[in-house]
Amino acid sequence: QKEVEQNSGPLSVPEGAIASLNCTYSDRGSQSFFWYRQYSGKSPELIMSIYSNGDKEDGRFTAQLNKASQYVSLLIRDSQPSDSATYLCAVWFSGGYNKLIFGAGTRLAVHP
Amino acid sequence: GAGVSQTPSNKVTEKGKYVELRCDPISGHTALYWYRQSLGQGPEFLIYFQGTGAADDSGLPNDRFFAVRPEGSVSTLKIQRTERGDSAVYLCASSLRNSGEGTQYFGPGTRLTVL
Repeated sequence: QKEVEQNSGPLSVPEGAIASLNCTYSDRGSQSFFWYRQYSGKSPELIMSIYSNGDKEDGRFTAQLNKASQYVSLLIRDSQPSDSATYLCAVWFSGGYNKLIFGAGTRLAVHP
Repeated sequence: GAGVSQTPSNKVTEKGKYVELRCDPISGHTALYWYRQSLGQGPEFLIYFQGTGAADDSGLPNDRFFAVRPEGSVSTLKIQRTERGDSAVYLCASSLRNSGEGTQYFGPGTRLTVL
């Protein structure tokens, strides 16, 4: 069973703080990982992709990957109210399965 | 350039009716995907097209669901004898190629409500 798990939240952080979103996945062979942001009533929008162990930074966003622990996270620095959304972790399961599997998402609320 | 478009944005139908949902992918994207998203859940894979052919339809829940992409561009998801449990947002996505490196871009979705 290919699974991606996330804490559903809501995760509530004050404006300016660091928000930390976590995701675990079931397949040790997975190589590609994505974070999508989804505002209420809108479609998912890709914000980060990561393929190698370690950190990948893009502006206020940092994705962290640990394949040995089957764990991927997203850090949002200097959180803004406009970051309030659901963050979906997605994992590409290869090895013949070849699908992008999404977690249920973590709802983030940034309060002023 | 234009993104993925889907029509209609909302569809309300009665139990037992037939519905068609349309997706127009990004120009040049050969891979096209249909997902279904229920409230509080992530998108759930339904079917994937590479060109005109359905390369993987393992996510279709039953034989009431069918999808086509006759010219390798626009795709239509067809649902026969709709049931209340089919109510969800149906998302279409496209990418240059079906791989872990192929970023999937989503359309705005069609919200289907079966009364």
